[in-house]
Amino acid sequence: GAGVSQTPSNKVTEKGKYVELRCDPISGHTALYWYRQSLGQGPEFLIYFQGTGAADDSGLPNDRFFAVRPEGSVSTLKIQRTERGDSAVYLCASSLAGPQGEQYFGPGTRLTVT
Amino acid sequence: SQQGEEDPQALSIQEGENATMNCSYKTSINNLQWYRQNSGRGLVHLILIRSNEREKHSGRLRVTLDTSKKSSSLLITASRAADTASYFCATDSSYKLIFGSGTRLLVRP
Repeated sequence: GAGVSQTPSNKVTEKGKYVELRCDPISGHTALYWYRQSLGQGPEFLIYFQGTGAADDSGLPNDRFFAVRPEGSVSTLKIQRTERGDSAVYLCASSLAGPQGEQYFGPGTRLTVT
Repeated sequence: SQQGEEDPQALSIQEGENATMNCSYKTSINNLQWYRQNSGRGLVHLILIRSNEREKHSGRLRVTLDTSKKSSSLLITASRAADTASYFCATDSSYKLIFGSGTRLLVRP
């Protein structure tokens, strides 16, 4: 079956602009995660959804970052007033069993803020 | 913040040799997972070891876990050029995985 997909694969935006990153999880996976990965580092947790609700958003760096999952499937990560420091690869993952099971990752969106 | 720290940061070996990567973490865990990443994009799950397990095998992979030392190791036997990638350990903490900074493995043909 299809894996986790993310769109766009690359996004270049100007400082101060608004961006939306989309994640389509594996069908039937109720748990969805967003991570951010800077060059040379491991992924850092941003937010975890169980169904439609954000069970843990403690990793969001500030209030410019927001994520939704209105129907419990597709999720959108929204970044307002982008800054150059937001440049990174944004990874989405989904799982059946919650955080203690295997997470299936998408290919990521590489965001570049100029 | 990142909990796991991999050692070494980079490793270069000849095809056919074994590769060993180590991971240390700070807090108690339910399980520890190893992931592989090619070219800085999507991660692929390799193996999960639970806190009550000491060793686990999967094909050419062998993972050990020492909860008293808060450390794990990943051994790749008979390495191939296709094993070239970054390898990350990840521990579960509440609702999230916490990844280390990774080991970059280069397998020379």
